Amino acid sequence: DTAVSQTPKYLVTQMGNDKSIKCEQNLGHDTMYWYKQDSKKFLKIMFSYNNKELIINETVPNRFSPKSPDKAHLNLHINSLELGDSAVYFCASSPRGGGDTQYFGPGTRLTVL
Amino acid sequence: QKEVEQDPGPLSVPEGAIVSLNCTYSNSAFQYFMWYRQYSRKGPELLMYTYSSGNKEDGRFTAQVDKSSKYISLFIRDSQPSDSATYLCAMSENTGGFKTIFGAGTRLFVKA
Repeated sequence: DTAVSQTPKYLVTQMGNDKSIKCEQNLGHDTMYWYKQDSKKFLKIMFSYNNKELIINETVPNRFSPKSPDKAHLNLHINSLELGDSAVYFCASSPRGGGDTQYFGPGTRLTVL
Repeated sequence: QKEVEQDPGPLSVPEGAIVSLNCTYSNSAFQYFMWYRQYSRKGPELLMYTYSSGNKEDGRFTAQVDKSSKYISLFIRDSQPSDSATYLCAMSENTGGFKTIFGAGTRLFVKA
């Protein structure tokens, strides 16, 4: 059984397009996250939601908008894609947040051409 | 200066070697310290979890935290080719609405 799943796994698109990445967790956790991992493997938090409420919003362009329809889902919508958005995006979940163990999804590899 | 510093490597060792991976940090409020392992094209997975200072051992893995020096280590004994991966240290001030800050990750290669 997959604990944290993401779709799609790969996304190749043109500059200026709008795209969404979906994430679902079946662990019953209250907190979900989006991370961006660049080509140098640096993992940087973008957003965190607890029980559908936004609790961490890092300095990311407002072209990135997270949406949490319920506590098992956290989607990421990206408008007007730019070359610099190319990266691997990871969704994760944890029971509460912060110092809790986080469970990561398999990642979505986004390539903007 | 980054909050968490980690040498990205790569680090290449022969099978059976003892591996030492390290991170330093600047935020004295960090209390939760973690090591994640990430295989190529996979998501990170938790390897070791330590609260506050001290040592923790799990099989071939030992995590050490020295809060006075703001320094954490992960030791791998009898390293195996299957240990080849990127190891990320991570730390947080508390649970709840606090961020987890990740190091840059150290790429480890264990040669058979």
